[in-house]
Amino acid sequence: DQQVKQNSPSLSVQEGRISILNCDYTNSMFDYFLWYKKYPAEGPTFLISISSIKDKNEDGRFTVFLNKSAKHLSLHIVPSQPGDSAVYFCAASALNDMRFGAGTRLTVKP
Amino acid sequence: DGGITQSPKYLFRKEGQNVTLSCEQNLNHDAMYWYRQDPGQGLRLIYYSQIVNDFQKGDIAEGYSVSREKKESFPLTVTSAQKNPTAFYLCASRALQGLAQETQYFGPGTRLLVL
Repeated sequence: DQQVKQNSPSLSVQEGRISILNCDYTNSMFDYFLWYKKYPAEGPTFLISISSIKDKNEDGRFTVFLNKSAKHLSLHIVPSQPGDSAVYFCAASALNDMRFGAGTRLTVKP
Repeated sequence: DGGITQSPKYLFRKEGQNVTLSCEQNLNHDAMYWYRQDPGQGLRLIYYSQIVNDFQKGDIAEGYSVSREKKESFPLTVTSAQKNPTAFYLCASRALQGLAQETQYFGPGTRLLVL
């Protein structure tokens, strides 16, 4: 029962262009959403989050958009840099329950 | 400086052996979590604890055990009952009050391999 889905296992973009990573969820009780970045053999690092009362949160090159009616969120990275190449996990939280997507591997080509 | 540490980085288990993975945090977080990551899958919750001497099963607790004798420490034991233990294990912690209380912070992980 996957409550959080990242349907694209991989994404490749050119350096300087925009990267858009998508995430869908099914549980309407989720009220907080997070994106984590993970390099191989390391723990995920927190990137950006958004509360369900907002529809956009921006932090430098990273912006997260939330569409509650569609149960969809996305992470925009602009401009993309080679150092952004990693696996990105979407997570959704309700009280003590946090669920993770399967991840999207982003490759930014120089 | 504050953070979460996990040891060892790599761990080898023989058939029928129990092994224990360490997780320590000095962030003064109340809640701690153990996840398992398998290739192509998201993080799956094994156990979590919100207070000392109390813990709850996650989605895949079978074959694992934990203890929470101190706020800073949440060791995970992979028992011989866990038939497919090879995975990357991640520990996380979270504050239950204050700003950013929804955010879990992760340790560097332990890769467990079966010999």
